[in-house]
Amino acid sequence: ELVLTQSPGTLSLSPGERATLSCRASQSISSLYLAWYQQKPGQAPRLLVYGASSRATGIPDRFSGSGSGTDFTLTISRLEPEDFAVYYCQRYGDSKTFGQGTKLEIK
Amino acid sequence: EVQLVESGGDLVQPGGSLRLSCAASGFTFSRYWLTWVRQAPGKGLEWVANIKEDGSRREYLDSVKGRFTISRDNAKELIFLQMNSLRVEDTAVYYCARDVDRVGFDYWGQGTLVTVSS
Repeated sequence: ELVLTQSPGTLSLSPGERATLSCRASQSISSLYLAWYQQKPGQAPRLLVYGASSRATGIPDRFSGSGSGTDFTLTISRLEPEDFAVYYCQRYGDSKTFGQGTKLEIK
Repeated sequence: EVQLVESGGDLVQPGGSLRLSCAASGFTFSRYWLTWVRQAPGKGLEWVANIKEDGSRREYLDSVKGRFTISRDNAKELIFLQMNSLRVEDTAVYYCARDVDRVGFDYWGQGTLVTVSS
């Protein structure tokens, strides 16, 4: 069974700083099927990145995804106030496993 | 504009049943897989079930197999989640989402709350 482990659990940063979120898979997965989502309190998740590195429609270019095999990263180059939220990685396709999430909070 | 609107969430006793609905608009409904994802209070996301464009294939989370049934009505642009033998651990906000191959879940509804409690 595939497990996605996200780290850190909580990341405390200030607006303007760079955020690096990690997602590690328990077995190698195709980067074609790795997505990242953002969820703010009381809202539905929003697709940010698919295929490990392709931004979804309307997503600002400060969000970027990278990685392959078992290690994937979501980077937010310069944090805006609206970026503080919970982020989830997901392997979709045959299995649709989510990571446990990383909470990005204001320092 | 793509819209997904869930309904049907309620308070139900353990062992009870509930049927969720999701109304879609703004896209060609019959061309997409649709999916249900849930989120227990204060917890992460968990995929529950999905259904192929024509309803010919359905997939389920192991813990809901035999209890939940996903279905769709392409004429009315609706998907459903029939939930039987509900357990306390099924308590969650249930979201429907559009499920796109090699993209992921690109549009989501606002969710509907299911509470299983005596």
